[in-house]
Amino acid sequence: NAGVTQTPKFQVLKTGQSMTLQCAQDMNHNSMYWYRQDPGMGLRLIYYSASEGTTDKGEVPNGYNVSRLNKREFSLRLESAAPSQTSVYFCASSEVPSSQTQYFGPGTRLLVL
Amino acid sequence: EDQVTQSPEALRLQEGESSSLNCSYTVSGLRGLFWYRQDPGKGPEFLFTLYSAGEEKEKERLKATLTKKESFLHITAPKPEDSATYLCAVQDTGSARQLTFGSGTQLTVLP
Repeated sequence: NAGVTQTPKFQVLKTGQSMTLQCAQDMNHNSMYWYRQDPGMGLRLIYYSASEGTTDKGEVPNGYNVSRLNKREFSLRLESAAPSQTSVYFCASSEVPSSQTQYFGPGTRLLVL
Repeated sequence: EDQVTQSPEALRLQEGESSSLNCSYTVSGLRGLFWYRQDPGKGPEFLFTLYSAGEEKEKERLKATLTKKESFLHITAPKPEDSATYLCAVQDTGSARQLTFGSGTQLTVLP
């Protein structure tokens, strides 16, 4: 039981390049989330998926798109990366949308030059 | 707008020196308050959920308490392995999905 897994662990991009961050969970959870973590600012929600087939914007969605591929997988895409998107990205999952306990993956460290 | 403020930003303790971390919050209605531990280079690890004022939860050397305005994470006789960043988050009754996080307290326990 791996919990929440994320790939890649680390990525360097040039401004304007695109990439997709992958997330998968094996806990049979219905809800999945993408956060970014910046120094001194705490974790901020980018997008979430309450259940398979649905996605909604969080606090900071601009510049990102998401896809809930199936119940296990939730990907985050940067279409045209900007230096302001340099951050650590965490995926999380919870059993149901109103379940308060979210379980986090190990993170993807992204540097945009 | 929900707000979470954690203090201090950083705390250095000697092994065995007990202390408390503070989490002050502002929400229209509290669905839950959460404590997470985060080690360097890793994702947050869930510790506790508190739902109502007066509630307390314990795990090993950690005890979390909740009032209507703040939560405390008490660390009793800490060990070096307790060194980590401790994050507090709240969920508003008006937001069934979104957690609002504080920026954390970085705890260092010296041997």
